[in-house]
Amino acid sequence: SYEVTQPPSVSVSPGQTATITCSGEKLGDKYAFWYKQKPGQSPVLLIYQDKKRPSGIPERFSGSNSGNTATLTISGTQPMDEADYYCQAWDSSTVVFGGGTKLTVL
Amino acid sequence: QVQVVESGGGVVQPGRSLRLSCAASGFTFSSYAMNWVRQAPGKGLEWVAIISYAGSNKYYANSVKGRFTLSRDTSGNTLYLQMNSLRPEDTAVYYCARVGVTVTMDPDYNYYGLDVWGQGTTVTVSS
Repeated sequence: SYEVTQPPSVSVSPGQTATITCSGEKLGDKYAFWYKQKPGQSPVLLIYQDKKRPSGIPERFSGSNSGNTATLTISGTQPMDEADYYCQAWDSSTVVFGGGTKLTVL
Repeated sequence: QVQVVESGGGVVQPGRSLRLSCAASGFTFSSYAMNWVRQAPGKGLEWVAIISYAGSNKYYANSVKGRFTLSRDTSGNTLYLQMNSLRPEDTAVYYCARVGVTVTMDPDYNYYGLDVWGQGTTVTVSS
């Protein structure tokens, strides 16, 4: 079965750029999706179809996907961006989530 | 307002059954594929199952295949997850989540994210 892998944690200073990767075999041939989840809250769709943002998602969140790696980039990271981030792909009509990345803003 | 609300969670002994419900409102329920996603305490998201907009196609994670059954009541705008032979490792918050495209926009939902999530319902399997 298909798998996608994320680093368990990423740290960034406020105002800097955070990069979270998601790796999977030929992931670039699929669409990548990203979700943000804060403690005690439900996940929120952050990026869909590699780089599109749903309405209400700030422009500082962007995505890309090529080769075996999808990337979520957070520009000008704010303390409120501290959360868990999950990538997701589809594999034959089933959903595949990465293990999640805890973003620490310090 | 577009929303889904889960219910039916609780504490259950190993080997017993439980049925979760997800009530949808604010959108045409019959036009969307729907999922269950779970999250064990302190762990990441785990996809559980998906049902197509008409209910004709269903897919399950290997970890629940043969034990869990997904169904939908279009007239009642409700999604169900029947969970049998529950195990301690099924302990989790269970979320209902909509695939963000209607069947008329694109019948192939494999290109869309999960755009509406409920608040979750907690299932604890313990003796």
